[in-house]
Amino acid sequence: GNSVTQMEGPVTLSEEAFLTINCTYTATGYPSLFWYVQYPGEGLQLLLKATKADDKGSNKGFEATYRKETTSFHLEKGSVQVSDSAVYFCALSDLGAQKLVFGQGTRLTINP
Amino acid sequence: KAGVTQTPRYLIKTRGQQVTLSCSPISGHRSVSWYQQTPGQGLQFLFEYFSETQRNKGNFPGRFSGRQFSNSRSEMNVSTLELGDSALYLCASSLAPVTGGANVLTFGAGSRLTVL
Repeated sequence: GNSVTQMEGPVTLSEEAFLTINCTYTATGYPSLFWYVQYPGEGLQLLLKATKADDKGSNKGFEATYRKETTSFHLEKGSVQVSDSAVYFCALSDLGAQKLVFGQGTRLTINP
Repeated sequence: KAGVTQTPRYLIKTRGQQVTLSCSPISGHRSVSWYQQTPGQGLQFLFEYFSETQRNKGNFPGRFSGRQFSNSRSEMNVSTLELGDSALYLCASSLAPVTGGANVLTFGAGSRLTVL
């Protein structure tokens, strides 16, 4: 079945550091890919998305490129801020179903 | 516009009881999905409703059920609660179910259920 694997967390960085959170997927067909972010005590917020190979999603300085050849959708940010501290989830859309398959989440902590 | 509203936000129940959670989608959204979030299992799909019909269901026992009303509001019910049902239950809405594409789910803040 479809699945998403994220890099193990937690991840701790200093402010202004470069961030990469790895995400790889297994899926039949051509799913859409998403990154969601969850702040403490809140639900999930869509961070960015990509719907086809080589698409780059971007938002708030975060970027991720849909790489079909490596089945990856790694999240990057050039300079993180304390306010980026949250849990990040990679997800894919299960084609034909209104359903997202999520990775296990990566907790990110940014220290000032 | 208002987001996805879930009630109650927090609740405590004891084993064997039942619970009903409510979700009001964004105005105009006709599809509602439910997910369970636990530290051990992560985010797992429960079910999805569109136009009052359950279209998809995840791998959960029959104690978990739901419904959708004509105004697109949805409820989920868990009967005979077990300790393992303690979780954050997230509701998400979207305009319509779309195969693939860029259809985006908007999530509510969740209902945190504790079973004692």
